[in-house]
Amino acid sequence: DTEVTQTPKHLVMGMTNKKSLKCEQHMGHRAMYWYKQKAKKPPELMFVYSYEKLSINESVPSRFSPECPNSSLLNLHLHALQPEDSALYLCASSSRLAPTYEQYFGPGTRLTVT
Amino acid sequence: AQKITQTQPGMFVQEKEAVTLDCTYDTSDQSYGLFWYKQPSSGEMIFLIYQGSYDEQNATEGRYSLNFQKARKSANLVISASQLGDSAMYFCAMREGRGTSYGKLTFGQGTILTVHP
Repeated sequence: DTEVTQTPKHLVMGMTNKKSLKCEQHMGHRAMYWYKQKAKKPPELMFVYSYEKLSINESVPSRFSPECPNSSLLNLHLHALQPEDSALYLCASSSRLAPTYEQYFGPGTRLTVT
Repeated sequence: AQKITQTQPGMFVQEKEAVTLDCTYDTSDQSYGLFWYKQPSSGEMIFLIYQGSYDEQNATEGRYSLNFQKARKSANLVISASQLGDSAMYFCAMREGRGTSYGKLTFGQGTILTVHP
């Protein structure tokens, strides 16, 4: 199974809402990533978890709160977002045991903040 | 700091023809990896091909090959026999170093490829 799943596929939320994005993989990968991608731009790294510990936070605003409850699951909690946070949010995972450290990406969640 | 440059915002190719997508990189590391990803309009990033900095042979994966010129710091993607399904955004990316348990990627700006019938 070389699949990363993300739910929901689409999400519309108001600026006062609280919602969560979910990412799951069962490949035994111990590194998981959140990216934000605007249309026609490259993905921007937000967070990296390695062995369930936060390893990189790329100065992301606190209205985004990541969580890695176990080695298969990665969540991104959203609160008080701004319209400019509307984007495609991609999750990825990788294994240090693979010589390439190739990242496997999920299909993404398209987020619209109204 | 590492940098990836893709100078072709858009490329057009006729079906069944070959096309080359350009990628140059800049890094001071001796150990690094270069990736190409395809992103269709659906959004998912699909891994295509990988080249390690110490690999002596150019990487190939089916219709995809990577023209790796280390001295020129270029890693161009060649797609042979283009198909309509190849129409997508293509990203070149670099992973620098191997000292961590994860691989942080730096992406280029991407090239939109359109395949004409």
